[in-house]
Amino acid sequence: DIQMTQSPSSLSASVGDSVTITCRASQGINNYLAWFQQKAGKAPKSLIYASSSLQTGVPSRFSGSGSGTDFTLTISSLQPEDFATYYCQQYIGYPHTFGQGTKLEVK
Amino acid sequence: QVQLVQSGAEVKKPGSSVKVSCKTSGGTFSGFGVNWVRQAPGQGFEWMGGIIPLLGTTNYAQRFQGKLTITTDETTTTAYMELSSLRSEDTAVYYCVRERDYYGVDVWGHGTTVIVSS
Repeated sequence: DIQMTQSPSSLSASVGDSVTITCRASQGINNYLAWFQQKAGKAPKSLIYASSSLQTGVPSRFSGSGSGTDFTLTISSLQPEDFATYYCQQYIGYPHTFGQGTKLEVK
Repeated sequence: QVQLVQSGAEVKKPGSSVKVSCKTSGGTFSGFGVNWVRQAPGQGFEWMGGIIPLLGTTNYAQRFQGKLTITTDETTTTAYMELSSLRSEDTAVYYCVRERDYYGVDVWGHGTTVIVSS
């Protein structure tokens, strides 16, 4: 199975800040990398597919990059509604494994 | 707008089975895959398996081989996940998700809580 490692596991920031979350795959996954946002007690929301393409309706302050094994999710100008847990997922190989999550908290 | 509507919460005894449904509403069913993902309390996500209704093909994570069955009913645009030989470790929220090749997962169901307890 492809292992996905996210860092950091938690992050504190303030409204207006820019933050970056990293996801590393144990082997090359081309750009078959997705990012999801989950708020407490809610179903996740899809943010990004193919490493850098925004899902419909996702604000442009979210951006993704990377290819191969190293990927990043950047949120610029944090808004109050962005404080949540973020997960990456590779979907090039079965099983479609997830990172362990990064909890973004208010500083 | 596409929605995945899942069946309600379940409480099951160890050793029994559970079957969760996931109905596609407001969008197309064919041309997409339906995967099942679970989240144990306070934990991250575990991909369990998936099906491509148009092809009738399934893929299961190795640890769920023989324990998990995913099916679809195209007439009702509903996917099903049946998990057998339940143990307390299967207590989790189970999500169905819609996925399409390069475009990945775009829609999540609201989740179904399954509690396994004697």
